[in-house]
Amino acid sequence: NAGVTQTPKFQVLKTGQSMTLQCAQDMNHNSMYWYRQDPGMGLRLIYYSASEGTTDKGEVPNGYNVSRLNKREFSLRLESAAPSQTSVYFCASSEASGGVETQYFGPGTRLLVL
Amino acid sequence: AQKITQTQPGMFVQEKEAVTLDCTYDTSDQSYGLFWYKQPSSGEMIFLIYQGSYDEQNATEGRYSLNFQKARKSANLVISASQLGDSAMYFCAMREPPLYNQGGKLIFGQGTELSVKP
Repeated sequence: NAGVTQTPKFQVLKTGQSMTLQCAQDMNHNSMYWYRQDPGMGLRLIYYSASEGTTDKGEVPNGYNVSRLNKREFSLRLESAAPSQTSVYFCASSEASGGVETQYFGPGTRLLVL
Repeated sequence: AQKITQTQPGMFVQEKEAVTLDCTYDTSDQSYGLFWYKQPSSGEMIFLIYQGSYDEQNATEGRYSLNFQKARKSANLVISASQLGDSAMYFCAMREPPLYNQGGKLIFGQGTELSVKP
């Protein structure tokens, strides 16, 4: 049981390049999320998917797109990377147990945009 | 709008002592959830403990307890008998209502860096 996995672990992009961050979970969770973490700050929600087939914007969606490929996979795409998108990106999935929904996070992807 | 505030950028504690990490929150909702996560230097986010706004008792999970003071809108994390492995960033987060539906969003504080001294 790997939990939440993310690829790649590290990536360097040039301004204007595109890339897709991959996320997969093997816990059969319905909901999945993408966050970004900037230095000295907590995580901020980019997009989320409450269930397979649905996606919604979070706090900071500009410059990103997402795809909920199936129940296991939720990808984040940067169409034209900008230096302001340099950050650590976390994927999470959640389950409801004992009356509370808890989010479990992947190891993160460190992205540098030059 | 909901907001989480962690006023301690960094904290030091001696090994085996207890430490309290502060968290205050702002919300107009009656129903909400409060979480604490640990982020070691390796970078992953580890769920520690949860407190629901209607829970009458403070949550406990092993050496972690949550000092929940609803009237003061505070949800401080208490770590008893600190260990060297407790050195990490700690984040307080709040779940917006509805609490039990799928896809609930978390709002995070800025974090507190805890260093445990031998």
